Amino acid sequence: QVHLKESGPGLVKPSETLSLTCSVSGGSLRSGGYYWSWVRQPPGKGPEWIGYIHDSGNTYYNPSLKSRVTIMRDPSKNQFSLKLSSVTAADSAMYYCARDLRAFSYGPVDYWGQGILVTVSS
Amino acid sequence: EIVMTQSPATLSVSPGERVTLSCRASQSVTGNLAWYQQKRGQAPRLLIYGASTRATGVPARFSGSGSGTEFTLSISSLQSEDFAVYYCQQYNNWPPALTFGGGTKVEIK
Repeated sequence: QVHLKESGPGLVKPSETLSLTCSVSGGSLRSGGYYWSWVRQPPGKGPEWIGYIHDSGNTYYNPSLKSRVTIMRDPSKNQFSLKLSSVTAADSAMYYCARDLRAFSYGPVDYWGQGILVTVSS
Repeated sequence: EIVMTQSPATLSVSPGERVTLSCRASQSVTGNLAWYQQKRGQAPRLLIYGASTRATGVPARFSGSGSGTEFTLSISSLQSEDFAVYYCQQYNNWPPALTFGGGTKVEIK
């Protein structure tokens, strides 16, 4: 059973960089061919996919966020991370890390972290 | 960007009734469509992928259908634990550019 847990500050100032880490247990970021993602959800709204990092290290980002997003991984710690720069109030949301259902095939997300609420405010 | 539109926004239903939720894509996503259930304070839960394949552990009362741009999630006999918000999601693009619908809230009538 794969478990994911997000960590990081719950409050970020406008124009600064949001940084979150996802710690993974029960699965490895080194192998398996899986896609690992960040998804966010503003209060009362639908989820928004932020981006993927694949076990190979390749990254894919939401075109609307691409200029501000970086997803990296640290296989030695079995963690992957999200950095979102130049944040505004519109970036306030619950942030989830997650893993797709099937190896070597992206799309359906089967394992989710509990989420971390991030508020952008001065 | 492929836009996913769900209808209705809210559905008021009595336990035991059959429910049908709709999801429309702005362009064809073939069969690359998933449905999720989300309860208050929880992460989404995968119900259906490939438009019609139930995920592990999902009760048989949930079924998905459709292809191209029109999709449906049906719940044959609504149970108390099914009152939640349901989202559709497409994953047809390469490189990946996943998008979700705005959700349908199923509430007690």
